[in-house]
Amino acid sequence: AQRVTQPEKLLSVFKGAPVELKCNYSYSGSPELFWYVQYSRQRLQLLLRHISRESIKGFTADLNKGETSFHLKKPFAQEEDSAMYYCALSGIQGGSEKLVFGKGTKLTVNP
Amino acid sequence: EPEVTQTPSHQVTQMGQEVILRCVPISNHLYFYWYRQILGQKVEFLVSFYNNEISEKSEIFDDQFSVERPDGSNFTLKIRSTKLEDSAMYFCASTAARGYNQPQHFGDGTRLSIL
Repeated sequence: AQRVTQPEKLLSVFKGAPVELKCNYSYSGSPELFWYVQYSRQRLQLLLRHISRESIKGFTADLNKGETSFHLKKPFAQEEDSAMYYCALSGIQGGSEKLVFGKGTKLTVNP
Repeated sequence: EPEVTQTPSHQVTQMGQEVILRCVPISNHLYFYWYRQILGQKVEFLVSFYNNEISEKSEIFDDQFSVERPDGSNFTLKIRSTKLEDSAMYFCASTAARGYNQPQHFGDGTRLSIL
């Protein structure tokens, strides 16, 4: 079964501190992993995806197939990073392109 | 940047009534999705739609639900006889191309409240 687990419901850090939002997944094939962000009262926006290997707004995420993880990291958090972060998975198993989401982590960056 | 738009932003309906949620996907996109998020829970897939047909649907998407692309721009989700447990945020999404690595672009959502 496809499953995404984000163990932290809430995460609070101070501005300038490193931040890591954890994501673990369960999938029998080769998944595509995404991070979506939802700022207050705004839509879900794609932050990054593993296939692109890019850094957006200072965030990076590395797919670790051995640990089945796709943790989101940023070395120096900013106040504007405060938002809900959702890890999501998609895969070709059964020809499905649906996204399977984790429950999300609410990140608060304090001044 | 083009966006997926959803109307209304908030819909309040009596239990048992029909409700239609509307979405205008990004204009050159061909693949459309509905998701929902019950308060405090995860975003859940409902249905995907391509070429005027349902591609995939979840267990949530029972006979009370239907989707339609009535014209070249709108994509609608209809709930025939609403229940209290249908109260949720409903998100529409679209992609330009098929493929499990294609990013899905989401609308702002419609908050559906069933009384």
